[in-house]
Amino acid sequence: DIQMTQSPSSLSASVGDRVTITCRASQGISSFLAWYQQKPEKAPKSLISAASSLQSGVPSRFSGSGSGTEFTLTISSLQPEDFATYYCQQYYNYPVTFGQGTKVDIK
Amino acid sequence: EVQLVESGGGLVKPGGSLRLSCAASGFTLTTYNMNWVRQAPGKGLEWVSSISRSSSYIYYADSVKGRFTISRDNTKKSLYLQMNSLRAEDTAVYYCAREDSSGYAYFGYWGLGTLVTVSS
Repeated sequence: DIQMTQSPSSLSASVGDRVTITCRASQGISSFLAWYQQKPEKAPKSLISAASSLQSGVPSRFSGSGSGTEFTLTISSLQPEDFATYYCQQYYNYPVTFGQGTKVDIK
Repeated sequence: EVQLVESGGGLVKPGGSLRLSCAASGFTLTTYNMNWVRQAPGKGLEWVSSISRSSSYIYYADSVKGRFTISRDNTKKSLYLQMNSLRAEDTAVYYCAREDSSGYAYFGYWGLGTLVTVSS
């Protein structure tokens, strides 16, 4: 199985900060990487697919990059509604696997 | 509007069974592969199972293989998860999730989830 490792596991940031989350795959997955946002007691929401393709309706302050084994999710200017947990997910092969999550909270 | 509504969760004893359902609306179910993803309390996301458009291809996580069965009824616009021999570690919110139309297993739409609690 492909292991996905996110860093950091948590971070504290202020509104307006630039935030970067890293996701590493245990083997190459090309660009078969998605990012999700989850708020407490809510279902995950799809942000990015194919490592860098923004889903419809997702603000442009979110961006993704990377290929192979290393990927990043960047929030260019953190907004109050962005405080949440973020997960990466590989869909290169089965079993589909998720990172452990990165919780972004208010500094 | 795409909607996925799960039902069937509840409290069950270890070793028991439960059948989850997911009612799909707002899109043509036959066009999409479908999945179940779960989340244990306070934990991360864990993919459980996937079923292709016509049920030709089915995949399971090792943690549920041999105990869970995924199925779908496109005429009823529904996805199912039959869960047998339940264990405490199966306690989680179970989400129904729709793949992209291209067939790639990322999940553009999720249901609200249904809670399964396995406890004596």
